[in-house]
Amino acid sequence: AQKVTQAQTEISVVEKEDVTLDCVYETRDTTYYLFWYKQPPSGELVFLIRRNSFDEQNEISGRYSWNFQKSTSSFNFTITASQVVDSAVYFCALTSTGFQKLVFGTGTRLLVSP
Amino acid sequence: DAGVIQSPRHEVTEMGQEVTLRCKPISGHNSLFWYRQTMMRGLELLIYFNNNVPIDDSGMPEDRFSAKMPNASFSTLKIQPSEPRDSAVYFCASSTISGTGPNQPQHFGDGTRLSIL
Repeated sequence: AQKVTQAQTEISVVEKEDVTLDCVYETRDTTYYLFWYKQPPSGELVFLIRRNSFDEQNEISGRYSWNFQKSTSSFNFTITASQVVDSAVYFCALTSTGFQKLVFGTGTRLLVSP
Repeated sequence: DAGVIQSPRHEVTEMGQEVTLRCKPISGHNSLFWYRQTMMRGLELLIYFNNNVPIDDSGMPEDRFSAKMPNASFSTLKIQPSEPRDSAVYFCASSTISGTGPNQPQHFGDGTRLSIL
């Protein structure tokens, strides 16, 4: 069975601090996909990134960066110089090829204070 | 481009009433998903359609829940009769599946916040 663990329930930081959200996954499949979604206080789910299991290159998008390590089954998300607008619940998710059942982690609530 | 459109945004009704949630997926997407989000259980997949055909409904809680997708641009999730424990946010998402190709991300609607009194 597939599983995603986000051990950090809530993180509080002050604006401009860097913060890393952890994601550990379990799967027996050799081909799989990892995702991060953001859920701001308004409630919608916003897609941030997709990574496939064959691409371990780290990715940077503005203040966001992702570190994928198959050796530790982790797909961590770092926000550099956090801003109040980054306050949200962030979900890590996993799926395999074909059937797109997304398995979500329990989410990490990030609170960025001014 | 229009995203996934859900209606209503909020629904408050009394126990025992029928509730119908609606979803219009992104044009061109061939897969549609219904999720439920609660504090206790997080995000749960209820049912998944591919090319308008239900593929996996193992997440549907019980017979009171039913979902249909009569065409590629519309789906409904119905609860009859509704119970207070059905109170949750219900999300619809759509995506594109191309056989064994890379899984495209699911794009979510804004959700329907359902309260059963």
